[in-house]
Amino acid sequence: ETGVTQSPTHLIKTRGQQVTLRCSSQSGHNTVSWYQQALGQGPQFIFQYYREEENGRGNFPPRFSGLQFPNYSSELNVNALELDDSALYLCASSPAGWDTEAFFGQGTRLTVV
Amino acid sequence: KQEVTQIPAALSVPEGENLVLNCSFTDSAIYNLQWFRQDPGKGLTSLLLIQSSQREQTSGRLNASLDKSSGRSTLYIAASQPGDSATYLCAVRPSSASKIIFGSGTRLSIRP
Repeated sequence: ETGVTQSPTHLIKTRGQQVTLRCSSQSGHNTVSWYQQALGQGPQFIFQYYREEENGRGNFPPRFSGLQFPNYSSELNVNALELDDSALYLCASSPAGWDTEAFFGQGTRLTVV
Repeated sequence: KQEVTQIPAALSVPEGENLVLNCSFTDSAIYNLQWFRQDPGKGLTSLLLIQSSQREQTSGRLNASLDKSSGRSTLYIAASQPGDSATYLCAVRPSSASKIIFGSGTRLSIRP
């Protein structure tokens, strides 16, 4: 049990819709990152937030956006859903610092039909 | 560009065997390397974290080594059990970026 919780656990959306995924960081962690994991692949970095500011972004289009709140919880928003967005979305939290350990939540399985 | 490779992609061994999972990375400029376990459809469980200045870490039946100069890490599992069946992911945190870069994982199956 890492202390990182994600909601919902499963979600089915229709192509073109918008979705919001949520993450509650482990206590004391002020850095949160989001990853997309397609079936049979390793997770791919979407973006990272530190103290409510985005401080790193992977190769994902602008329709993937995020927020981090003062309590360090976070949201991932995806607009104009495409079939290829179907994946497991993982949230990771860590303390400040580049060399710290990352702790992951259980993920949200998004299916776009 | 940092790339992480894990070989083999899948491995099946009988219960009780000691085994080694391999991970290689192309750029030695890393802060740390982390090994994760992932059960089907689940999130990632952190197994071991090795800082760039360290050579190995141990936790129970698991031992991970890091050779930064050659870009290699191994995860050694002693006396394997059916409950060890899962996908094992290797990941590095580059010195030049905030993200973690993952390999594609090794799917391990322990036969009773």
